[in-house]
This record gives sequence, structure tokens and C-alpha cells, in this order.
Amino acid sequence: DTAVSQTPKYLVTQMGNDKSIKCEQNLGHDTMYWYKQDSKKFLKIMFSYNNKELIINETVPNRFSPKSPDKAHLNLHINSLELGDSAVYFCASSQGVAGRTEQYFGPGTRLTVT
Amino acid sequence: AQTVTQSQPEMSVQEAETVTLSCTYDTSESDYYLFWYKQPPSRQMILVIRQEAYKQQNATENRFSVNFQKAAKSFSLKISDSQLGDAAMYFCAYRSGGGADGLTFGKGTHLIIQP
Repeated sequence: DTAVSQTPKYLVTQMGNDKSIKCEQNLGHDTMYWYKQDSKKFLKIMFSYNNKELIINETVPNRFSPKSPDKAHLNLHINSLELGDSAVYFCASSQGVAGRTEQYFGPGTRLTVT
Repeated sequence: AQTVTQSQPEMSVQEAETVTLSCTYDTSESDYYLFWYKQPPSRQMILVIRQEAYKQQNATENRFSVNFQKAAKSFSLKISDSQLGDAAMYFCAYRSGGGADGLTFGKGTHLIIQP
């Protein structure tokens, strides 16, 4: 039933490690996004894929690499984790990229880097 | 670049009363959309209401309505008959008509409902 799912929901890891967060949507949408919510609750777009092609790539360290194996999945791989990467990461999806389209958010993944 | 400002970090309202959350934005675009999202303690992001910039009529969804003042670039959210389940962070968000930039969020307002 879950429209947009993320795994894991919680991730605790040490500095320097590499980790991945997975996102899957079963809504048949063609566009997926990654947002980062920092400790002050501020949300910011990181990436967006439309039909498996990268269309938004905000100023994000190149340690972050999104991968979209198909339209239903958008994974986020993070290399050499730093303390400042601790945040909640949200995946979202929409049908199309037009401004009016509703974005459906996943439950978020809380990443803690120690 | 577009910016969204929510000047109220926290608001408190008595149950059953009405509260208004403020939002202003800055853009040079004419085609855009504005949204209010709710984030309860579960942290799930929930769309509350959407407003198209080209529509003069204010959007309404049950107890939630907006006051969209395009010239003033203001987009406030009114919650009528506040309920305990309305307690959450509320985020105002902007998106270009073309959608290429994703959602631009304000910093949020923490709404407390007093029983």
C-alpha cells in the first residue's frame, strides 16, 4: 500500500563510511526527488530525476551520488560520510515536472553520523 | 533565485479557535505555485493546500484556507476550528511553473494546539 517507501528509516554510521539510502515508489510516477532536512528542520532539494535522467542537481558535494535504475527507484549513495551529513533525507515522487504536480513524500531516513 | 520566508518560528492556539500562519515569498516569475505542507511528529510530509498563482480565488480545503495576495507576495494559511491533530510543523513552499527547480521551502512554523 505504501506509495513512497525508503529504506532504512534510521541509519547510524561512523565518519568516513559509505552508505546508501533506497527509495521506491509504486505510484507509476516518472519523476523522483531527494530532499535534505537539516537539524533546524530546513528542507532543501538535492536532486531530481525524470524518466531516469538527472534534471536537478543542486549544489551538493560530489560525495553524494544519486542513481535511478528505473523510474520506480531512486537511490542515494553517500561516500566518506561527514558529521554535517547528519540529517533526515526525504525521497519524493510526482507525475511530470510541471510546477502544479503534487509531490508525494516518503517517510524519511534519519541519518546520524558519529 | 526564489526565497520563501516564514516569520513565525512558533505559534500557539486554543483548540477550536482559528490561527493564521504567515508566509511571504520573493520571485520575478509570473507562473508559479504555492503550497502548504504539514509535518507532524511522525515526520511524514503531507500536502495541506495548493494555490496557482494565476488564480485569483483563494484555495480552500475543509478547515484550511489561504489568503493569497499576489501583489504583496503573501500566502498565509488559516486553520479554522483547530484540532489537536493539527499540531505539527507547517512549511510554506514555492515552485516555478516549469517545475525545474523543485520545491523551495520556508523554515517552517511550529504550531502548538492548547487543549
